[in-house]
Amino acid sequence: SQTIHQWPATLVQPVGSPLSLECTVEGTSNPNLYWYRQAAGRGLQLLFYSVGIGQISSEVPQNLSASRPQDRQFILSSKKLLLSDSGFYLCAWSATGYYEQYFGPGTRLTVT
Amino acid sequence: SQQGEEDPQALSIQEGENATMNCSYKTSINNLQWYRQNSGRGLVHLILIRSNEREKHSGRLRVTLDTSKKSSSLLITASRAADTASYFCATDAETDSWGKLQFGAGTQVVVTP
Repeated sequence: SQTIHQWPATLVQPVGSPLSLECTVEGTSNPNLYWYRQAAGRGLQLLFYSVGIGQISSEVPQNLSASRPQDRQFILSSKKLLLSDSGFYLCAWSATGYYEQYFGPGTRLTVT
Repeated sequence: SQQGEEDPQALSIQEGENATMNCSYKTSINNLQWYRQNSGRGLVHLILIRSNEREKHSGRLRVTLDTSKKSSSLLITASRAADTASYFCATDAETDSWGKLQFGAGTQVVVTP
């Protein structure tokens, strides 16, 4: 069966510090991968998606970036965090040709 | 931008009652999905209904889709305390060549024993 991991689970970082959130998927190959951000009490905002290694599409221009160094690894980064980057970050995957997405447990980021 | 909008924003019911929530969207879609999110957790996929389907069932869940009104409803029958969660609809726009999803803001459901 497929599983998706995210870490860390929670993170408190000062403004201006760098960020690296990691997501890995097990039990499947060539998944589509997604990064979402969820503000408190709100829906999900798609940040990045990837259909293959090195292929990243950005939905929202901002100071975040994403990379996919391996087939089942998706990384969300920032060089300098802003207060507005606080939120709940979710990674998800879907199988090629399928619309259902499967989510990781999320990372709660607080920028102070 | 948000494609789907759920209604109501919050719903409080007692165990055993049915819970109904609605989703409206703006553009033509390929599919509409419903997800559940327990507090502080990731989303869990519940059900997908295709644009050429009108109704779909999965256990205690019943989903309807009316493409002429651009709306969907999710019914949870005989609710349980464990159904307490936020429920989101998600759509993939027909004009997108690939399955990017747009989520609504969700309906927060509280089921009291």
